Amino acid sequence: KAGVTQTPRYLIKTRGQQVTLSCSPISGHRSVSWYQQTPGQGLQFLFEYFSETQRNKGNFPGRFSGRQFSNSRSEMNVSTLELGDSALYLCASSFRTGWTGELFFGEGSRLTVL
Amino acid sequence: GQQLNQSPQSMFIQEGEDVSMNCTSSSIFNTWLWYKQDPGEGPVLLIALYKAGELTSNGRLTAQFGITRKDSFLNISASIPSDVGIYFCAGQGNAGNMLTFGGGTRLMVKP
Repeated sequence: KAGVTQTPRYLIKTRGQQVTLSCSPISGHRSVSWYQQTPGQGLQFLFEYFSETQRNKGNFPGRFSGRQFSNSRSEMNVSTLELGDSALYLCASSFRTGWTGELFFGEGSRLTVL
Repeated sequence: GQQLNQSPQSMFIQEGEDVSMNCTSSSIFNTWLWYKQDPGEGPVLLIALYKAGELTSNGRLTAQFGITRKDSFLNISASIPSDVGIYFCAGQGNAGNMLTFGGGTRLMVKP
């Protein structure tokens, strides 16, 4: 069974640009969550999508957005990039949303903003 | 953002020793999860705990869900070099699959 797949694995952008990251969940999983990992702030929740609807959102500015497609694949977008957006962006999938969810993470997309 | 209080931040131990780490929170959680992350990789789920007081094992790993629902611990017995990595606790409340993570425990094992 294939795991969570994230693309691209590495990318470099400059300030002011935008970026789109992609996540393909484990087959059969309908919930996709996104997390940002930085040395200073650790792992921070960005948002969760389930059945193409955003279910929860973390405390991030509106420059961070996402969406989910009918096949459960998800994308997140960061506009007007800032240096502080440099981070490892992790996608996690789960069979369903709710308190029993076990989340399985992808390897992440490492974004560097210059 | 909110984080769980995870301790210790790092540990340097001898191969064969037992390890213990814990997480505390001011909030109640419905589920506690323990993950391990290797460099350049995403976190890998080790143990999931669903009920207050629950004690669960996975090989040499044992974790418990505190009875107050505000804490959890992870024990690793007879450590081996491949246990090296960063261990994270995570709590899940009522907000879907949103996890709140601890700051991590960096484990180093000396052969």
